[in-house]
Amino acid sequence: DVKVTQSSRYLVKRTGEKVFLECVQDMDHENMFWYRQDPGLGLRLIYFSYDVKMKEKGDIPEGYSVSREKKERFSLILESASTNQTSMYLCASSLGQGLLNYGYTFGSGTRLTVV
Amino acid sequence: TQLLEQSPQFLSIQEGENLTVYCNSSSVFSSLQWYRQEPGEGPVLLVTVVTGGEVKKLKRLTFQFGDARKDSSLHITAAQPGDTGLYLCAGAPGFDMRFGAGTRLTVKP
Repeated sequence: DVKVTQSSRYLVKRTGEKVFLECVQDMDHENMFWYRQDPGLGLRLIYFSYDVKMKEKGDIPEGYSVSREKKERFSLILESASTNQTSMYLCASSLGQGLLNYGYTFGSGTRLTVV
Repeated sequence: TQLLEQSPQFLSIQEGENLTVYCNSSSVFSSLQWYRQEPGEGPVLLVTVVTGGEVKKLKRLTFQFGDARKDSSLHITAAQPGDTGLYLCAGAPGFDMRFGAGTRLTVKP
């Protein structure tokens, strides 16, 4: 069964800490995405990558960075965690784009609390 | 303002009832997708609609893409408690997908 695996289900971090969220997919997908999900706001795109070492900003990149050194792994970095970054973080991967979009496969999410 | 507006935001019904949820936009999409998300899990793809006016059925779920490819609906017949979840529509105005805020459905036994 194909999978997107996020390293942690729950995380609690302190304000100002540097936080790493890891995502690994085993489907050989080119495209990978990081979203955050908040009640009433839905999923908002933070960053995405369509190839190794490539990255593009989504709608809300401020306070975040990403790294994609290998095709299967896409990391989200909170440079200095703040309480307004408390959220559910979802990683996804996909094959194709546009009309060839076969849909996203999501991980189970990481619920991050910043105290 | 969301690119994709979903309504209603919340829906609570009894087992056996029918329901329809909506996904609307002012933008035209080459395709729209519907996902269901259960608590503590990521969204799971249900269907992709591509052609204006297209209707797809998945057991008791019927998906329709508007003729102008700006909107979509999801109809559930004889809802069951197992249908409970957050239903999300999504479309790609460019390379990446944008999601609506979702309809949270609760089906009571």
